[in-house]
Order: sequence, then C-alpha cells, then structure tokens
Amino acid sequence: GEDVEQSLFLSVREGDSSVINCTYTDSSSTYLYWYKQEPGAGLQLLTYIFSNMDMKQDQRLTVLLNKKDKHLSLRIADTQTGDSAIYFCAEKPSDYKLSFGAGTTVTVRA
Amino acid sequence: DVKVTQSSRYLVKRTGEKVFLECVQDMDHENMFWYRQDPGLGLRLIYFSYDVKMKEKGDIPEGYSVSREKKERFSLILESASTNQTSMYLCASRQSLGSPYEQYFGPGTRLTVT
Repeated sequence: GEDVEQSLFLSVREGDSSVINCTYTDSSSTYLYWYKQEPGAGLQLLTYIFSNMDMKQDQRLTVLLNKKDKHLSLRIADTQTGDSAIYFCAEKPSDYKLSFGAGTTVTVRA
Repeated sequence: DVKVTQSSRYLVKRTGEKVFLECVQDMDHENMFWYRQDPGLGLRLIYFSYDVKMKEKGDIPEGYSVSREKKERFSLILESASTNQTSMYLCASRQSLGSPYEQYFGPGTRLTVT
C-alpha cells in the first residue's frame, strides 16, 4: 500500500529484541494493526492499537504509536524462531478498508 | 474458531481463460474482501462486499469482477486471465460491527497464468 510504508527485511538473532517500524498517512485512522503471515498461510491479526493510545503491551509484544509523526512500531522481546514471518502494518482509513504496508520479512537466526 | 477457506491453494491457467476463485466463511460475517498480494507491494484490495449482493470496487478492480449470491460465499472472477494477474489471492471476512474490526484471512490461492 502506497500510504503505509515499512522496511522490507529484518534479520535478528534468537533471544534479541526485534523492532519493526511503519509510517502511515491517514491521521483519521481509528485503529492501527499488526498482522503476521507465516509461510504458506494467510494473515492473522497479531495485535492492534486504538488511535487514542500511545502504547500497548501484550506479553512479548509492545506497540508504540506516535500520532504526531504518524509512526507505528512493533517490538518483539526475546525473539524466537517461531517469530520468523512477514509482518504487515495496516491502518483503517474508512469503515471498510484496511491499507496495508508492503510487509517486513523477519528472519530469526540462531 | 473463525474459518475462511479458499477453493484452491494452487492454480495454473492459460492466458484468456475465465478463472473463478471461491471463498467461503463460516462465521456469518457480513463483510468480505478480495486482495492480491505481490512481493514488495503488500496487499492491495480488489473488491469488497459489505452484504449479500452488494459489492464495491477496491483499489485495483480492473480485469476482475465478483459475485456474492450467498452470505458465506464470495467469488472472484477473472474474465480473461492475463499474465499480469499471476499473484497470490487472499480472501478475508469480518463482522460489520464490533471493534477492532478484525479481518480473518483464508490461506490464499497462488494463481499462475501462462
């Protein structure tokens, strides 16, 4: 999606933290999402944040939202091999639509 | 558990053929979506349907049409397949109301047009 940008690749050592960054354009988006796509599978919602929040923590996942800069990040603590996947950032600019980024392929190396 | 199924995981078709991709969801969701996924481009919305017999164009509808005769089924049709329609096609569904408006995805159909 042209309105949502994220880097394409991230390589991280097992046990380290991963940080995936995303910028979006529509300041009216009420929700911002992180979806995960494992090899050979469809996308699955990993976590989301409501636009009036700055941070959301869910076990190993931390989402940070900077509305002023339209910047969203996902931190995965203690990254495991099972975290190897493509991670998509998405914004919800209207009732029905989601706009997705190109996806960040995370590779976890031993 | 929400389940979205797609009729084929892999499909190979010839240029000019008419292609049907089927999607079925079992959660009585009102809204359904068809995306295509291409490396470096992410997911792009082709068409969506907010209810039975309703459809709206997404961002890249050219060369595609859709059909939603029953609530649980949403079909994507390529009237005359072309090589630039080689892609991964993902179907999704969601309830029309209820935050966070999560979309549930099927496993995808990888279509190759030769």
